[in-house]
Amino acid sequence: AQTVTQSQPEMSVQEAETVTLSCTYDTSESDYYLFWYKQPPSRQMILVIRQEAYKQQNATENRFSVNFQKAAKSFSLKISDSQLGDAAMYFCAYRAISSGSARQLTFGSGTQLTVLP
Amino acid sequence: GAVVSQHPSRVICKSGTSVKIECRSLDFQATTMFWYRQFPKKSLMLMATSNEGSKATYEQGVEKDKFLINHASLTLSTLTVTSAHPEDSSFYICSAREAPSYTQYFGPGTRLTVL
Repeated sequence: AQTVTQSQPEMSVQEAETVTLSCTYDTSESDYYLFWYKQPPSRQMILVIRQEAYKQQNATENRFSVNFQKAAKSFSLKISDSQLGDAAMYFCAYRAISSGSARQLTFGSGTQLTVLP
Repeated sequence: GAVVSQHPSRVICKSGTSVKIECRSLDFQATTMFWYRQFPKKSLMLMATSNEGSKATYEQGVEKDKFLINHASLTLSTLTVTSAHPEDSSFYICSAREAPSYTQYFGPGTRLTVL
């Protein structure tokens, strides 16, 4: 079974600084998707970034980028120039692609990010 | 990005009554939708997967007769909590999967309080 581990329950960063959130996963699949979602105090889950496992290039969305290490099964999220609005719970998620696998999202336990003014 | 709406955002009901929560994909068709439950400061727990036109698949431990799911169209899924009890009080979130990107988009959630 797939598992997703976020080993940092809480993180904090100074406004305008950079922070990296860690995520590791375990799977026997060769093709899959990885996601980072944020959940601010409103509790609306928002997609931050997505990575296809077959792509070697790390995904980037404005101030958000990932470091995807397939062999190490690691998928960290880097937030540059942190803003107060980035404060949220961040969830790493995995989804297999093959038809023989469970295709629902598997979530990590989350990392609560605080941005300090 | 794709938008998923959920209604109501908050509901308070008496013990023993039933509550229906609607989930709509507003700008895309979703053959598959998901229902989650989330406890405070915890991750999302998948309750069931619904496919348009067929019966929902429930996760282990989720009572299908208590949490009725209907996915009658490509843009609408409903969750009915039947004979609600205080222990059913929680935050319920729906999600719709956009094909072919496999990306799931989430509704804003429903806070259910059973008195």
